[in-house]
Amino acid sequence: GAVVSQHPSRVICKSGTSVKIECRSLDFQATTMFWYRQFPKQSLMLMATSNEGSKATYEQGVEKDKFLINHASLTLSTLTVTSAHPEDSSFYICSADRLYEQYFGPGTRLTVT
Amino acid sequence: ELKVEQNPLFLSMQEGKNYTIYCNYSTTSDRLYWYRQDPGKSLESLFVLLSNGAVKQEGRLMASLDTKARLSTLHITAAVHDLSATYFCAVDLRGGSNYKLTFGKGTLLTVNP
Repeated sequence: GAVVSQHPSRVICKSGTSVKIECRSLDFQATTMFWYRQFPKQSLMLMATSNEGSKATYEQGVEKDKFLINHASLTLSTLTVTSAHPEDSSFYICSADRLYEQYFGPGTRLTVT
Repeated sequence: ELKVEQNPLFLSMQEGKNYTIYCNYSTTSDRLYWYRQDPGKSLESLFVLLSNGAVKQEGRLMASLDTKARLSTLHITAAVHDLSATYFCAVDLRGGSNYKLTFGKGTLLTVNP
């Protein structure tokens, strides 16, 4: 149990376009989901906390107008990278909270050309 | 400033040897997590430590938590090549219902034949 999926697993887009990443909890409901970004050979950095039915809470330094988060249901949160630039290329990982343990999705590798 | 410090950051060891990875954190917390990450993959949960003195073991890995010392250890016994990966500790540094995880920088473990 406690499976989290992400889609797509890999995406390449052109600079200036927008990309949407989906995070789904498959066998449980998650009031809270988290979005992380990981650059090569670095640790995970929390970008934002996504709460179902309310606005996301962004970490300091993360542009909320650039990284749009929507948590419309108890099993789905989406992250939209707007007007993507090459520096946004990274590994994006979501997690879903279940009883104070986070279950991680398989990640989405974004490459902006 | 809230900090989670792991050491060593790089660990190269021979098969059959024992070693310990340390995770120090800078403020009170009752929840500490250990994760494994293989190259190009997301996180795999290893251990959740929820109380002072907690000790958990799975195969060749054993984790412990000392909340008074703000220290957790991940002990590797008789290492095998399959344990090669990056290991992260993460601490819930906020507590209560408004929680988030702060990750250490990770320990890249290489087990050599």
